[in-house]
Amino acid sequence: DTGVSQNPRHKITKRGQNVTFRCDPISEHNRLYWYRQTLGQGPEFLTYFQNEAQLEKSRLLSDRFSAERPKGSFSTLEIQRTEQGDSAMYLCASSPRGGPGELFFGEGSRLTVL
Amino acid sequence: QKEVEQNSGPLSVPEGAIASLNCTYSDRGSQSFFWYRQYSGKSPELIMSIYSNGDKEDGRFTAQLNKASQYVSLLIRDSQPSDSATYLCAPRGGGGADGLTFGKGTHLIIQP
Repeated sequence: DTGVSQNPRHKITKRGQNVTFRCDPISEHNRLYWYRQTLGQGPEFLTYFQNEAQLEKSRLLSDRFSAERPKGSFSTLEIQRTEQGDSAMYLCASSPRGGPGELFFGEGSRLTVL
Repeated sequence: QKEVEQNSGPLSVPEGAIASLNCTYSDRGSQSFFWYRQYSGKSPELIMSIYSNGDKEDGRFTAQLNKASQYVSLLIRDSQPSDSATYLCAPRGGGGADGLTFGKGTHLIIQP
């Protein structure tokens, strides 16, 4: 399967701990996005990469959140000092060159902060 | 602050009827618009895109766009139980911004 891959699929952590999620996009896609979704809400944009450059970041995003995409391949999203409000599904998506808006989502990483 | 408004529903439609899903958006700079379908417990998947005013048809789906009214809609003809899902409207912002702003989605239920 050559879709978007995310891991871990589920993460349970205690408040104050750091967590990291990984996303492997579709190989020929140069754009990579991170979204967060909570129950009953649409996905909320977090950040966007074109190749290895982080071009856009939500102004609402806490500085406890950081994302990287070294070498323009896989990406990681780290949340430091987690809070209960960080509990959500973290979705990664990629899109092809010439197709911004045509997002292919992974299955997501569900975070539960106790 | 970009806003995307959708009626959260649930919208209940009999099997075989036309389901009509509506969306309004605040960013006048938006140039392209996307509809995603999300089944319960699954990730969103793209079903339609529309870039110009008017209608765009793809199988049983028709997207309609009116930029002057900042309104986009999705029609599903001959609704099937498998169409039961949440439908998310997502304009692509103006000014070169690439991150889509999703609405909360409309929960559609097709009654057999």
